[in-house]
Amino acid sequence: QQPVQSPQAVILREGEDAVINCSSSKALYSVHWYRQKHGEAPVFLMILLKGGEQKGHEKISASFNEKKQQSSLYLTASQLSYSGTYFCGTENNDMRFGAGTRLTVKP
Amino acid sequence: NAGVTQTPKFRILKIGQSMTLQCTQDMNHNYMYWYRQDPGMGLKLIYYSVGAGITDKGEVPNGYNVSRSTTEDFPLRLELAAPSQTSVYFCASSRGGGQAYNQPQHFGDGTRLSIL
Repeated sequence: QQPVQSPQAVILREGEDAVINCSSSKALYSVHWYRQKHGEAPVFLMILLKGGEQKGHEKISASFNEKKQQSSLYLTASQLSYSGTYFCGTENNDMRFGAGTRLTVKP
Repeated sequence: NAGVTQTPKFRILKIGQSMTLQCTQDMNHNYMYWYRQDPGMGLKLIYYSVGAGITDKGEVPNGYNVSRSTTEDFPLRLELAAPSQTSVYFCASSRGGGQAYNQPQHFGDGTRLSIL
């Protein structure tokens, strides 16, 4: 079963913050986050493991609540380079990706 | 620093033709994956492999076949191409091992396939 992402799309001005959510109906061992620019391959951002940990990458951080089977990606003080589509992936024996959240950062 | 290499980058096929999409990685990764991505959509897992000689189906395996005879190579075969298989195909690899679920996936640049 694929994880569910929300929102589907978000438009920001430079410097604004955003949150992208990812939830699953199945128990999770880990949650992956990737960013894909238009016409390019997905690029790894971070992995979160069981334990409610938070991780960071530049000004992008994420949390993972295994009891709620949810993860959230936090983008703070957004930059133009943050534009792209963000995917969460949930892995048990194989990997299932959400449908993606399209983030547009405008000047 | 090759990483994951996919060939060809673009291909146009006629309905009913067959072809093989090539994927090779030079990172000695155990796990390899094939995904398809339709326009504006997410990634759908077609097949994956946890090591040479071992393959398993993902979400959308129908119409495809794979083999994994070496650690480096994981070709994807399309038999009897159909318009519904028009998509961008990505190959990925990860280190895998005992805790495969905490290893990042490295993607190739993709193969853009059109079937007319």
